[in-house]
Amino acid sequence: RKEVEQDPGPFNVPEGATVAFNCTYSNSASQSFFWYRQDCRKEPKLLMSVYSSGNEDGRFTAQLNRASQYISLLIRDSKLSDSATYLCVVTLSPSNTGKLIFGQGTTLQVKP
Amino acid sequence: DTEVTQTPKHLVMGMTNKKSLKCEQHMGHRAMYWYKQKAKKPPELMFVYSYEKLSINESVPSRFSPECPNSSLLNLHLHALQPEDSALYLCASSAQGDYNEQFFGPGTRLTVL
Repeated sequence: RKEVEQDPGPFNVPEGATVAFNCTYSNSASQSFFWYRQDCRKEPKLLMSVYSSGNEDGRFTAQLNRASQYISLLIRDSKLSDSATYLCVVTLSPSNTGKLIFGQGTTLQVKP
Repeated sequence: DTEVTQTPKHLVMGMTNKKSLKCEQHMGHRAMYWYKQKAKKPPELMFVYSYEKLSINESVPSRFSPECPNSSLLNLHLHALQPEDSALYLCASSAQGDYNEQFFGPGTRLTVL
């Protein structure tokens, strides 16, 4: 079983749609959780850290369920510019030498 | 805009060449990382430096040799690479704190002939 699992998609949605990505992680000792976005042939960029209480940044909402070991990302009012691969990332250790564990990524294509 | 810079952007080298990748961060971060990423795969961790000391080596072949001259700079020395080492090499940095958010540079796209 992979340590971090995501549905690879692709998710093809029209502009303005709401889309949700899910991610599960296998190690209950996981400490920190993130969503990164990666455009084709570019570097991953931090989209959001995910907090236990859930957090929102504009059209993006992230949720964490530690009991179910599950993370989600909701994108409302999708834009063409949201087309990218979304990487679910967890860390096991405290910060100092934190090793990021990546999911395989979920591809989103927003169409006009 | 990234505050982690990497040079060169592209590199083509033969299997007998020696080259170096360079990374610099201007955020005062004390942890720096090298990742390798193949097409349609997530990044794979290679090395971690914490406070300028190597803290993690993910069993990387010795033809890859990291160096951290100071807290802002990270190098990756390459020697006798194989064609399968062709990939995007990403540098990242993070502050020492509870959340370990890592910030990536734009990467060096390496082709080994």
